[in-house]
Amino acid sequence: GAGVSQSPSNKVTEKGKDVELRCDPISGHTALYWYRQRLGQGLEFLIYFQGNSAPDKSGLPSDRFSAERTGESVSTLTIQRTQQEDSAVYLCASSLIGTNYEQYFGPGTRLTVT
Amino acid sequence: GQSLEQPSEVTAVEGAIVQINCTYQTSGFYGLSWYQQHDGGAPTFLSYNALDGLEETGRFSSFLSRSDSYGYLLLQELQMKDSASYFCAVRDPTGNTPLVFGKGTRLSVIA
Repeated sequence: GAGVSQSPSNKVTEKGKDVELRCDPISGHTALYWYRQRLGQGLEFLIYFQGNSAPDKSGLPSDRFSAERTGESVSTLTIQRTQQEDSAVYLCASSLIGTNYEQYFGPGTRLTVT
Repeated sequence: GQSLEQPSEVTAVEGAIVQINCTYQTSGFYGLSWYQQHDGGAPTFLSYNALDGLEETGRFSSFLSRSDSYGYLLLQELQMKDSASYFCAVRDPTGNTPLVFGKGTRLSVIA
C-alpha cells in the first residue's frame, strides 16, 4: 500500500502564527512518531502514539507544541506562536507495534518561520 | 541518560569498503538499528541487530557486540549513490521514545 504521507510539504509562516502539520501513517501501523530535524542535524524525538495509549509528551520542546491522533490513523502536530527556532523539517514515521525498530518515514514538512 | 556516538563524517573511494561505528550508552537495550538518509530525503530503514554478530543484506552488513555496547555498519563495493547520512539508533524500552537516534555520519563516496 501507500507509504507515510505528510502535508504540507513546505510551510512558510510568520513568527507568532500557529501551524498545523498532518501525517497519514501506513494503514495498519498502530505506532506513530514525530521527529524534528534541523539542517544537517540528527533526529530529535518529539512524541509518539502507540495504539490507544495516552502519548508520552515529555519529548515536546515546549508547551507551544501539541499533537493529536485520531484512532489509529491521521495525526496532527500543532505549533502555536511559532518562533524562528522552530524552523526545521518535521518528520513523521509509523511502524507496527512489535517492530518499532523498523520505522517508515514520511517525506517531511519543511517549516520556515520568518 | 542516553548517548550514541558515531563519527560525523567519513569519506571513501568508489568500490572500496567503509565501516561506520556506533557506540552507545543507554539505560536499556533491545537492539541496534541503522537508517540511511539522502540529502533532502526521508530516513529509510537498513538493518536491525538484536543479537551479537554480523547480519548481511546484500552490500550492507551490520554488526553488534552487546558486551562492548558497540556496533557498526559495513558498506562494501561502494557506489556513488551510497553518499548519504547514516544513523544508528538504539531500541531502548526505558526511555520516552522506543528508538533513540545518533547524530548521524555523513558518508561521501568519491571517484
